[in-house]
Amino acid sequence: GQQVMQIPQYQHVQEGEDFTTYCNSSTTLSNIQWYKQRPGGHPVFLIQLVKSGEVKKQKRLTFQFGEAKKNSSLHITATQTTDVGTYFCASREGSGNTGKLIFGQGTTLQVKP
Amino acid sequence: EAGVAQSPRYKIIEKRQSVAFWCNPISGHATLYWYQQILGQGPKLLIQFQNNGVVDDSQLPKDRFSAERLKGVDSTLKIQPAKLEDSAVYLCASSLGPMTGELFFGEGSRLTVL
Repeated sequence: GQQVMQIPQYQHVQEGEDFTTYCNSSTTLSNIQWYKQRPGGHPVFLIQLVKSGEVKKQKRLTFQFGEAKKNSSLHITATQTTDVGTYFCASREGSGNTGKLIFGQGTTLQVKP
Repeated sequence: EAGVAQSPRYKIIEKRQSVAFWCNPISGHATLYWYQQILGQGPKLLIQFQNNGVVDDSQLPKDRFSAERLKGVDSTLKIQPAKLEDSAVYLCASSLGPMTGELFFGEGSRLTVL
């Protein structure tokens, strides 16, 4: 079945530094979603990307979907302690929005103040 | 708008015992999901319902896990008998429908099997 691999597994940064997590697949993805899970919390939806080469921004967060729709990235500019948590990419098997949503293993971000 | 409700939040049982988790999705959400999240891993889909029908249960260990959503609203996930490796957080999520991407998760039910 479809798998999405995330790297790195962990990242420690100094507050103010940038952070990037990458999501890769061996197969073409119909879309990609990103979620954030705070320590002890539950996953919270951040964004969905659908189009090849799509770039979306949310304040300090920039999300990209690769041209071949096989990879995606999340970049955080000037990290803050509130960015601490685990970031998951997720994609649906099959076409459209009807397949089951498969999550990557996540990238855990620690921010040192 | 009320979120996805789950109970209990925490449960500790001995192996071979049984446990049940309850989920009430956001009102009007037709699709309901149960995910298992083992510490340090991403959520793994156990079962997906569309109204009261099962869409996918390919990763549900059917010899010990069962789930139902009889009236197409709330749902129950049962484990009987529990094994040590079932220790995890069981997350319930809902979405408006299969064509709506965003999943809304509940707080989860943390299970410890001793």
